[in-house]
Amino acid sequence: NAGVMQNPRHLVRRRGQEARLRCSPMKGHSHVYWYRQLPEEGLKFMVYLQKENIIDESGMPKERFSAEFPKEGPSILRIQQVVRGDSAAYFCASSERYERYFGPGTRLTVT
Amino acid sequence: SQQGEEDPQALSIQEGENATMNCSYKTSINNLQWYRQNSGRGLVHLILIRSNEREKHSGRLRVTLDTSKKSSSLLITASRAADTASYFCATEMGGSEKLVFGKGTKLTVNP
Repeated sequence: NAGVMQNPRHLVRRRGQEARLRCSPMKGHSHVYWYRQLPEEGLKFMVYLQKENIIDESGMPKERFSAEFPKEGPSILRIQQVVRGDSAAYFCASSERYERYFGPGTRLTVT
Repeated sequence: SQQGEEDPQALSIQEGENATMNCSYKTSINNLQWYRQNSGRGLVHLILIRSNEREKHSGRLRVTLDTSKKSSSLLITASRAADTASYFCATEMGGSEKLVFGKGTKLTVNP
């Protein structure tokens, strides 16, 4: 059973470009969570999704950020018009109950 | 503000010694979880303790929970150099699926 997969592992974008981060949950998991981690910080919750539904997006910035988890395919975290402050590691996790299984993360660098 | 706050921020010990990390939180919780993160990697779930539990063991790990003081501790016995990592506590509150992480304790185990 493959773990949570994220791609790309590293992503470099210029200011103003779009970033698309993908997350494939563990097989059989229908809950996906996205977190952002700044250097030397803990993880900050962004959004919780189930298939085709956003359940809790209380941690998402109001503008430029969106997330989806379609019926087929990976969950996508999309950041439009990236700014330097978006540079961070973005982790997704999947679960069926309490325990979260985290992916290896995508490190986004905005130049 | 952070729900969980780990203490100390950094800890350096010799191989074979025990390492104790503490976590305090602010509101009532359903459960508290400890995670490990190696440098530049994703998080690995270590142990979950429910609000009605006081102590839990897993191998060399021992976790305690004191809901009256809103605090938890993680003890790693007979530490090894491979235990070098950052350790995070995360709390899950009732009615919410999101985990709230602290800033972590950076543990260094010197060989």
